[in-house]
Parts: sequence; structure tokens; C-alpha cells
Amino acid sequence: KQEVTQIPAALSVPEGENLVLNCSFTDSAIYNLQWFRQDPGKGLTSLLLIQSSQREQTSGRLNASLDKSSGRSTLYIAASQPGDSATYLCAVDGLGFQKLVFGTGTRLLVSP
Amino acid sequence: GAGVSQSPSNKVTEKGKDVELRCDPISGHTALYWYRQSLGQGLEFLIYFQGNSAPDKSGLPSDRFSAERTGGSVSTLTIQRTQQEDSAVYLCASSKGEHYSNQPQHFGDGTRLSIL
Repeated sequence: KQEVTQIPAALSVPEGENLVLNCSFTDSAIYNLQWFRQDPGKGLTSLLLIQSSQREQTSGRLNASLDKSSGRSTLYIAASQPGDSATYLCAVDGLGFQKLVFGTGTRLLVSP
Repeated sequence: GAGVSQSPSNKVTEKGKDVELRCDPISGHTALYWYRQSLGQGLEFLIYFQGNSAPDKSGLPSDRFSAERTGGSVSTLTIQRTQQEDSAVYLCASSKGEHYSNQPQHFGDGTRLSIL
């Protein structure tokens, strides 16, 4: 059974810091890994998708890496801003193609 | 709008009543998913529709839950004889489908269901 773990559960940093969020999964037989952000009372916004054949993806200040063999992914946020405050979730399609298994998320607070 | 639309945004009902939740996916997306987000269980997959194929119901927690998708577009998730443990946020997502492995799932804002 695929299990996804995210560390830390919560993170508080001052504005401008670079930070890393971690995601690990137990079964390396995945097609994709996705990182999402969720704002309070809202749905999920897709940030980055990494296919199993890829090592990393970048979008603006965000960079996600994937080490499929070790079952790990990291989300790097450069020069954090208060607007980055949200819960960040990683998910893998561990139940079969495109059926996502989610981690419990990292709650990020960036202070001005 | 261009995004996934869900209604109602909030629903409060009494235990034992039936409820229907609606999802309108992004136009042209052939795949549609329902997930449930609750405090105790996190985000869980419920059901998956792909085009005209039979839905994948492997995540439905009990036979009180059912879903249909009419005309390959709008979907309705129905919960019969609701129980308090059904209280959660029900999220719908859509994507371009199984032939597009590099396309993400796009989520609606969810329906917050509260069972009294």
C-alpha cells in the first residue's frame, strides 16, 4: 500500500528565506508526482508535476526534484514571500494511473 | 469560468438524509475525480471517470456512496443515509485524461459537508 509522508508538518520562516519541503513515498512504482498548494477554505492549486522519468521541474521560484528509486521528492522555494503561506501537499499516483495518494501536508507560514 | 466548479460550496444536513454534490469539470477534460478531505484521514481518492469507460469506484468507502457522470461532463456524487463520519470537504478534479501523463489534475474549491 502506497504511503506518503511529508516533513515537516509545519514550518515558520521570515520573509526572504530559502526553504525545502520534503516528501517521501513507500512504493517507487509511480507514474507522476505532483506538488500542490492549498489556501484555507480553497481547493488545491497544482504547482509542479514531475513524471517518473524526470529528475526535476522548475516554475519561477519553485523547484521540485524527484528521486524515484529512494522514494523522495523535495520542493525548494527560493526567496520566500508572505504570499507563499499555505499548506503544501505532495501526491503520487500510487493507486494506479492518475489516482492520487496524498501526503498530510506541510503548513507554511512566511512572516513579513 | 475556466476552472472546475463545485456546488454547493457548503451543505449542512441531518443524519440519515441523502445529499447530492455537483461537479462541473473544465471543458474538454475527459477525466474526472472525486476526493474527500477530512481531519482524521487527510485527502482520499473516491472515484475516477475516464471518458465513456466504466468508472473506477475502488475508493468509495461504502455502498451508500455513488457517483455518475452524464454526457461525459457534469458529475454528481450522492451519499445516501448520511452519517456523521461523512462530514468532510468533497473535492472534485479534472484532467485531460489518461493519454496525457504530463498533465496535472485541476481541483475545484470543494463542498464542505456537515452532518448534524
